[in-house]
Order: sequence, then structure tokens, then C-alpha cells
Amino acid sequence: EADIYQTPRYLVIGTGKKITLECSQTMGHDKMYWYQQDPGMELHLIHYSYGVNSTEKGDLSSESTVSRIRTEHFPLTLESARPSHTSQYLCASSIRQGPLNYGYTFGSGTRLTVV
Amino acid sequence: GQQLNQSPQSMFIQEGEDVSMNCTSSSIFNTWLWYKQDPGEGPVLLIALYKAGELTSNGRLTAQFGITRKDSFLNISASIPSDVGIYFCGDSGAGSYQLTFGKGTKLSVIP
Repeated sequence: EADIYQTPRYLVIGTGKKITLECSQTMGHDKMYWYQQDPGMELHLIHYSYGVNSTEKGDLSSESTVSRIRTEHFPLTLESARPSHTSQYLCASSIRQGPLNYGYTFGSGTRLTVV
Repeated sequence: GQQLNQSPQSMFIQEGEDVSMNCTSSSIFNTWLWYKQDPGEGPVLLIALYKAGELTSNGRLTAQFGITRKDSFLNISASIPSDVGIYFCGDSGAGSYQLTFGKGTKLSVIP
């Protein structure tokens, strides 16, 4: 049973449209993350958050933006979608206890296709 | 920066064979996490290791945290078709806030 939810699972959208990918977790995790992954390829961190009102850019440059107004919610927005944004977007969360991160859990992903 | 190497990049094996894959790091890890990703899905945690030398099993899967804290291996015994997928190793160590992933080992099982 998933404790981290992503919607939609699949999205096909036209170039220039604004889209928001939703991610919510019910585990009370303080840290949340967005990864971008092309099929069969490695995961690239594009955004992360330490907690409410905290957002940071990841290792891979992305034209998307994120917000963290509530602990459980970490949406990702693309203001103007382009075909180069076609990819799978994975949300994850974790909780830090002492020096370690625990419970690093992924959602099922949103498969985005921009036509 | 920290480098994480995962090998092999891909494997084709016969059903019933045992599988071994490993990860090495350029720096000391505090944890080793092993994930499996099915096509079109998010990665699912298989095994988490938190102590050097730790050997942990989960069904047909066994993973070990290397003594040097710079490597880990994952073994799968008696492979079955549903073992197909991409296996990722990763670390969420002290001082970092995000998981560092290897590039993955793509496993194919031939019935």
C-alpha cells in the first residue's frame, strides 16, 4: 500500500501548456524530492525540500519549479511545457533521524509526454 | 564529489541462475540502500544496510555492507522471471540530504 501518491500517472499535453504534477505523502516525512528519469536510465535529482517553505535545486538543471507549503504536499510545476520535458517524474520522501535518512520511499511516478 | 559506480550495467541470465551485482563508492558511506524498479513504476526498497559488515536477507535476496564502507553487493538466488527490472544502489549518508544513486543494473531473465 503506497504512502506516497503521485497524480496523474500519465499525462499527454501540448507544447506551451502549464502543468502541475502532484505529490503527497502521509508518512509525516520532512524531506521530499523530485527525480527525472528517462526510460531505463538513471535517476536525476531536480528538486528537494528539507521541510515547509524550503526548496532547493538538485543536480540536474530543470525548468520546473516546486513549492512546499504543507509538509505532506510537494507539487512540481512547468510553466510552459516543451517536448524536451517528456520524461518520467518520480517523487520521494524521507525522514532524518540523527545522521541518517530513513524510509526513503518513492511514488509510482508521472509519465509526461509533451507533443 | 562523491562517485558511485554500479556494475554490471546489464545482465542476461537463465531462469534459476544466481545473480550478483555490486556498487563501489569513492567515499565512505553510512548506509547502503538497494532498490528495484519495474518498468513504468517507481523504485521499491529491497534492502537497507546501516552497519559496516552487515549481511541482510530478504527472501531470495542477500545484501552486504562492505567492511571498508565503500562497497556493497546484492545477490539474488534462483532467479525467476519477475526479477526482471533495474536494480539501483544508493546512499543517504551523513551530511547529505538526498539519496545518491548508482546508474543501475538492468536484469533480464530468460525463461
